[in-house]
Amino acid sequence: DVKVTQSSRYLVKRTGEKVFLECVQDMDHENMFWYRQDPGLGLRLIYFSYDVKMKEKGDIPEGYSVSREKKERFSLILESASTNQTSMYLCASTSRQGLGYTFGSGTRLTVV
Amino acid sequence: GQQLNQSPQSMFIQEGEDVSMNCTSSSIFNTWLWYKQDPGEGPVLLIALYKAGELTSNGRLTAQFGITRKDSFLNISASIPSDVGIYFCAGLLYGGSQGNLIFGKGTKLSVKP
Repeated sequence: DVKVTQSSRYLVKRTGEKVFLECVQDMDHENMFWYRQDPGLGLRLIYFSYDVKMKEKGDIPEGYSVSREKKERFSLILESASTNQTSMYLCASTSRQGLGYTFGSGTRLTVV
Repeated sequence: GQQLNQSPQSMFIQEGEDVSMNCTSSSIFNTWLWYKQDPGEGPVLLIALYKAGELTSNGRLTAQFGITRKDSFLNISASIPSDVGIYFCAGLLYGGSQGNLIFGKGTKLSVKP
């Protein structure tokens, strides 16, 4: 069964901390995505990557950065966590043609 | 960013009833996807539609890709309590190297036994 695995289901971090969210896929997909999901706002794209070391800003990149050093791994970095970054974070991957769009189980991040 | 118009936002139905929800957009999409999300989990793909006019079923679920390529609907027949969750539509524009999904805001389904 194909999988997108997010390293943590729940995280609690303090304001100002640097936070790493990890995502790994085993489908040899070229494209990987990070979304955040908030009630009433739906899913919003933070960053995506269509190849190793390549990244593109999504709709809400401010306060975030990403890293894609290996094809299977896409990391989301909160440089200095703030309370307004408390959210559900979802990773997804797809083939270059947009097939097999699969989500991870999500990481619920709370910043206190 | 772009959004799809998904309706209704929420539904409260009796077990056994049929459910219908839809998504519309001003943009043309190459693919329509329907996902279900349970609380605390990531979205799980239910049905993928790749051609205008395509009608696809998955058990009690049926979805159609609109002829204009700007809309799609999802029907659930004879609902059961485990159908509870949030249903999302998503339109996919691909070409080049991106394959970026545009999401509706979801339909929250509640089923009374």
